[in-house]
Amino acid sequence: NAGVTQTPKFQVLKTGQSMTLQCAQDMNHNSMYWYRQDPGMGLRLIYYSASEGTTDKGEVPNGYNVSRLNKREFSLRLESAAPSQTSVYFCASSLPNNEQFFGPGTRLTVL
Amino acid sequence: GENVEQHPSTLSVQEGDSAVIKCTYSDSASNYFPWYKQELGKGPQLIIDIRSNVGEKKDQRIAVTLNKTAKHFSLHITETQPEDSAVYFCAASIGFGNEKLTFGTGTRLTIIP
Repeated sequence: NAGVTQTPKFQVLKTGQSMTLQCAQDMNHNSMYWYRQDPGMGLRLIYYSASEGTTDKGEVPNGYNVSRLNKREFSLRLESAAPSQTSVYFCASSLPNNEQFFGPGTRLTVL
Repeated sequence: GENVEQHPSTLSVQEGDSAVIKCTYSDSASNYFPWYKQELGKGPQLIIDIRSNVGEKKDQRIAVTLNKTAKHFSLHITETQPEDSAVYFCAASIGFGNEKLTFGTGTRLTIIP
């Protein structure tokens, strides 16, 4: 079991560019999440998906879109990147009412 | 929405001593409180969690206590070891599910050999 995998590990974008962060899990979990982690601010929920075909906004959804492609995959898209979106992005997954398992993260820099 | 405060932001402890990290939450409807450990360059990993119908939970050297009246919960690590050095995050979730976790700002714990 690979658990939760994320690609890419690192990415540098210029302001205005777009990109998609990929996340996949092989634990047959129903729920998947995207967080961002900034220094001194802990992790903040961007979007989550309680099941295939559903998505909901978290605490900081502005500037992001998500797609729950199937039960395994949950992608996060930045349509027009801004320097304020420089952060480390974590994907997580879980069964209902169970612990969340996190991926290794994607470090994104927007210049 | 929920607000979780965590203290201290940094903590240095002699190896073998105990470490305590404290969190407070704002919404009395919160009833799920996990603690995560994050090592350098890795994602957070759950180390212990507690639900509001329980006052204390232990797992070997780690324990969590919850005071619902005061709306605070604490992580206790006894007999600390060098491998306990990491950043620790508390979190809280409103309702019976754990989908919308609100995290504290983290505590960097350093164990001094």
